[in-house]
Amino acid sequence: SYELTQPPSVSVSPGQTARITCSGDALPKQYAYWYQQKPGQAPVLVIYKDSERPSGIPERFSGSSSGTTVTLTISGVQAEDEADYYCQSADSSGTHVVFGGGTKLTVL
Amino acid sequence: QVQLQESGPGLVKPSETLSLTCAVSGYSISSGYYWGWIRQPPGKGLEWIGSIYHSGSTYYNPSLKSRVTISVDTSKNQFSLKLSSVTAADTAVYYCARFTVVTPLGYFDYWGQGTLVTVSS
Repeated sequence: SYELTQPPSVSVSPGQTARITCSGDALPKQYAYWYQQKPGQAPVLVIYKDSERPSGIPERFSGSSSGTTVTLTISGVQAEDEADYYCQSADSSGTHVVFGGGTKLTVL
Repeated sequence: QVQLQESGPGLVKPSETLSLTCAVSGYSISSGYYWGWIRQPPGKGLEWIGSIYHSGSTYYNPSLKSRVTISVDTSKNQFSLKLSSVTAADTAVYYCARFTVVTPLGYFDYWGQGTLVTVSS
């Protein structure tokens, strides 16, 4: 079955830039989406269509794509950004939703 | 504002069928969009279960397809999940969500708060 691969954890100090990657063979042909999930809460969409930001999401959140890897970048990380982040895309057939395993962002 | 609310038993016995309903407010299901179910075992990641269109067409996770049924009731503005032959591995927080299509697939933009279902005798 198709998989999206994320690093289990990323740590940064406040004010620094955090980069979370997501790799998958179908990513050159499928859009990627990113969700932020804080403990005890439902996920929240922070990036859609690789690099678009929904209304209400701070400008420090951005997304990019290169080949089989997509990247969520958080510039000027704040303590409130500490959360789990999940990428989501489609398999190569474009009919099944796939989530990455998630990355825990720790703000030191 | 679109709101979704999951409901159903919090405890299900092994081998039985898990049944959940998602009530939608602030938007009419019959107006469009896909609607889906996602689950998250305690301490683990998200897993897509399946999605349904208001017309009733469905897409299921291949790994769960043999046990899953998702249906929609436009008259009540809700959709439902049934997962049969459950085991302890099906213990999870179950979320319902609205799915926005961006060809060929899309993303979940509105989520319910989630409901914990425990499989135990």
